[in-house]
Amino acid sequence: EAQVTQNPRYLITVTGKKLTVTCSQNMNHEYMSWYRQDPGLGLRQIYYSMNVEVTDKGDVPEGYKVSRKEKRNFPLILESPSPNQTSLYFCASKRTGIYGYTFGSGTRLTVV
Amino acid sequence: ELKVEQNPLFLSMQEGKNYTIYCNYSTTSDRLYWYRQDPGKSLESLFVLLSNGAVKQEGRLMASLDTKARLSTLHITAAVHDLSATYFCAVDIRGFGNEKLTFGTGTRLTIIP
Repeated sequence: EAQVTQNPRYLITVTGKKLTVTCSQNMNHEYMSWYRQDPGLGLRQIYYSMNVEVTDKGDVPEGYKVSRKEKRNFPLILESPSPNQTSLYFCASKRTGIYGYTFGSGTRLTVV
Repeated sequence: ELKVEQNPLFLSMQEGKNYTIYCNYSTTSDRLYWYRQDPGKSLESLFVLLSNGAVKQEGRLMASLDTKARLSTLHITAAVHDLSATYFCAVDIRGFGNEKLTFGTGTRLTIIP
């Protein structure tokens, strides 16, 4: 089944403790992206990647890192999480060009 | 900067009624998407509209796109409870590079039996 898999689904952590949210897609998509969803703000892009080893900032990149060492994986790294990063996170992927996006099932992160 | 506005933000309607959700965007784009999200769930793709005048229908939902007016509509016909969800429109800007989706803030639809 074609899908974007995120892990974990739920995570509660403490301020300052490094964490990684994994994202993997099995569709050989070139493009991958991370979004965060907050009430009243909709979804905002954090980082994106056009292909392996090509990443760039989205609209709200502060406090996040990403890497794209393999085409299928695009982890989101929070080096020192803070409470304002409490959010619902989605990974998405697509083929380059006029194609639709496939979203992962989301990761609900709480930083206390 | 591309802005995407949806209205209404909240919509409560009775079963069997018709209603329309509006999505306005500020910059030229010919790719508009509609998504559905159930509480705590991921985004489910409903429609992709790629050209001016595009109209797509699936069951009780119909979406249209007017690129000249920079307006898309999602029309609900004879609403049923199962359509209760939050609906998002999203636009990506023509061209290469970051194929970022810019989302509207969503319309929370509640269908009352």
